[in-house]
Amino acid sequence: GNSVTQMEGPVTLSEEAFLTINCTYTATGYPSLFWYVQYPGEGLQLLLKATKADDKGSNKGFEATYRKETTSFHLEKGSVQVSDSAVYFCALSGSGNTPLVFGKGTRLSVIA
Amino acid sequence: EPEVTQTPSHQVTQMGQEVILRCVPISNHLYFYWYRQILGQKVEFLVSFYNNEISEKSEIFDDQFSVERPDGSNFTLKIRSTKLEDSAMYFCASTRAGENGYTFGSGTRLTVV
Repeated sequence: GNSVTQMEGPVTLSEEAFLTINCTYTATGYPSLFWYVQYPGEGLQLLLKATKADDKGSNKGFEATYRKETTSFHLEKGSVQVSDSAVYFCALSGSGNTPLVFGKGTRLSVIA
Repeated sequence: EPEVTQTPSHQVTQMGQEVILRCVPISNHLYFYWYRQILGQKVEFLVSFYNNEISEKSEIFDDQFSVERPDGSNFTLKIRSTKLEDSAMYFCASTRAGENGYTFGSGTRLTVV
């Protein structure tokens, strides 16, 4: 079945540091890939998405590129801020509106 | 921007009691989902709903759980006889088409005591 593996946290970075959160997936066919963010005490918000190979999703300075050859969708940001502290979830959806499958989440803490 | 609305935001119930969690999906969305997240753990799929019937469910979604769309706007999750291990954050989500992303509600924190 479909699955998502993302790097274990927590990740602690200083403000303005470069962020990478690794995500790899296993899926049949051509899934859509997503990053969701969960700020403390809040629900899940879609951060960015990519629906086909080589697509780059981007939002709020975050980027992720759909790499079919390495089955990866790593999240990056060039300069993190304290306000980026949250839990980040990589997720995929197979074809035909099949349910989202989530990774375990990576907690990011950014310190000033 | 359209939102998925969930009520209540927090519910405390005694073990063995029935609870109903409510969701109002985005009006032009066709697919509805319930997920749960036990504190600090993975977000887990429970059930999906389309065209007034369950389209898929996980092994978590046993006979204690049911879903309903009682009218044109609400989508409910019922747990018949709650157990301590049902304590979790329950998220409702909806989508028009899955590849566009799923919009999640802010969740209902269920605490079973």
